[in-house]
Amino acid sequence: DSGVTQTPKHLITATGQRVTLRCSPRSGDLSVYWYQQSLDQGLQFLIQYYNGEERAKGNILERFSAQQFPDLHSELNLSSLELGDSALYFCASSDVALGEQYFGPGTRLTVT
Amino acid sequence: AQTVTQSQPEMSVQEAETVTLSCTYDTSENNYYLFWYKQPPSRQMILVIRQEAYKQQNATENRFSVNFQKAAKSFSLKISDSQLGDTAMYFCAFMKQGGGYQKVTFGTGTKLQVIP
Repeated sequence: DSGVTQTPKHLITATGQRVTLRCSPRSGDLSVYWYQQSLDQGLQFLIQYYNGEERAKGNILERFSAQQFPDLHSELNLSSLELGDSALYFCASSDVALGEQYFGPGTRLTVT
Repeated sequence: AQTVTQSQPEMSVQEAETVTLSCTYDTSENNYYLFWYKQPPSRQMILVIRQEAYKQQNATENRFSVNFQKAAKSFSLKISDSQLGDTAMYFCAFMKQGGGYQKVTFGTGTKLQVIP
């Protein structure tokens, strides 16, 4: 158990809909990262937040947005969903001083 | 931009044998971190081992060790005494860091099958 929690575990929704994925980082970690992993693919970095502020952006679509709240949990919002958005979405957290990221169990999103 | 290349899409090894997974990267940075992550069929991402670029000594973690060649930009993972539970996708990752900013680039992964 990495200490990072993600909800929900599974999500099935229709095209055009909007969903919110939630992540709680490990206790004490200020940084949260979001990744997308499509079937049999590597991980694509989406976005990083550090103590409530956006710090780095990767290949995140304009239809996607994220935020980190004062209690350090983070939410990833996906809107106008398309079939190609079906993927495993991981959240990770880290102690910036140490470097390594610890991953949550992921949310499997299926868009039908 | 940093790139991470894992040139072996799939590998297999007999149980109890040793296997080495390759990873090369391209960067102009001098200070960075390198990681190997394991993703078993459960899809959970598990940190296996980390290496700081400024350290010359290769990292080891039980049966897992790395061969870090900074000049060659190579970071291979050696798994000794392979066990069935080592069957997984293995991802090499590069991270540059500074000022609360971390950007991680993952390789495309190597699928390792441990054969009984």
